Amino acid sequence: EIVLTQSPGTLSLAPGERATLSCRASQSVSSNYLAWYQQKPGQAPRLLIYGASSRATGIPDRFSGSGSGTDFTLTISRLEPEDFAVYYCQQYGTSPLAEYTFGQGTKLEIK
Amino acid sequence: QVQLVQSGAEVKKPGASLKLSCKASGYTFTNYYMHWVRQAPGQGVEWMGIINPSGGATNYAQKFRGRVTVTRDTSTSTVYMEVSSLRSEDTAAYYCAGDMLTGDDAFDTWGQGTMVTVSS
Repeated sequence: EIVLTQSPGTLSLAPGERATLSCRASQSVSSNYLAWYQQKPGQAPRLLIYGASSRATGIPDRFSGSGSGTDFTLTISRLEPEDFAVYYCQQYGTSPLAEYTFGQGTKLEIK
Repeated sequence: QVQLVQSGAEVKKPGASLKLSCKASGYTFTNYYMHWVRQAPGQGVEWMGIINPSGGATNYAQKFRGRVTVTRDTSTSTVYMEVSSLRSEDTAAYYCAGDMLTGDDAFDTWGQGTMVTVSS
């Protein structure tokens, strides 16, 4: 099982600032099958980034993903008030019936 | 449009069993795998298991094997998840989810969630 470790646990920033969230895998993530999700209170997670760097439909271009192998990053170039939420990374397996795992999350809060 | 509609909230006693449903619409049900994910109050998201609706093959996270069973009914485009021997730690919001749009296996479509409370 691949373990994903996200850092920091909490990130305090102001609107307009740049956010950089990290996700480190315990072993290499095959074919960069790494996704990022945003979750707001009382809602299901929403897919932001898949394949490490591809934005999902409707996601603003201030969100970008990068990385490969074991180190991945989600960057929000200029924070909007609606971006303050919890963010999770997820790895998905080489075959559809493989195990999937999520990181423990990073809470992005208003400073 | 693609939609996953889950069954309503449940309250169960420890030791009981639970069966949740997730009804799919807006796409060809047998073409896309379905997952179950849960989230305990104030905690992170946890992947539980997957089913191939076409043939019914499943896989589960190690910690849930033997206690969780995912099935499907192709005639109603519905996926079910049964959890046995419930304990207080199973109190959580349960979601069905899948890749019905992106084609990359990430979860682009989610149900609205079902809150399960396990309490004596």
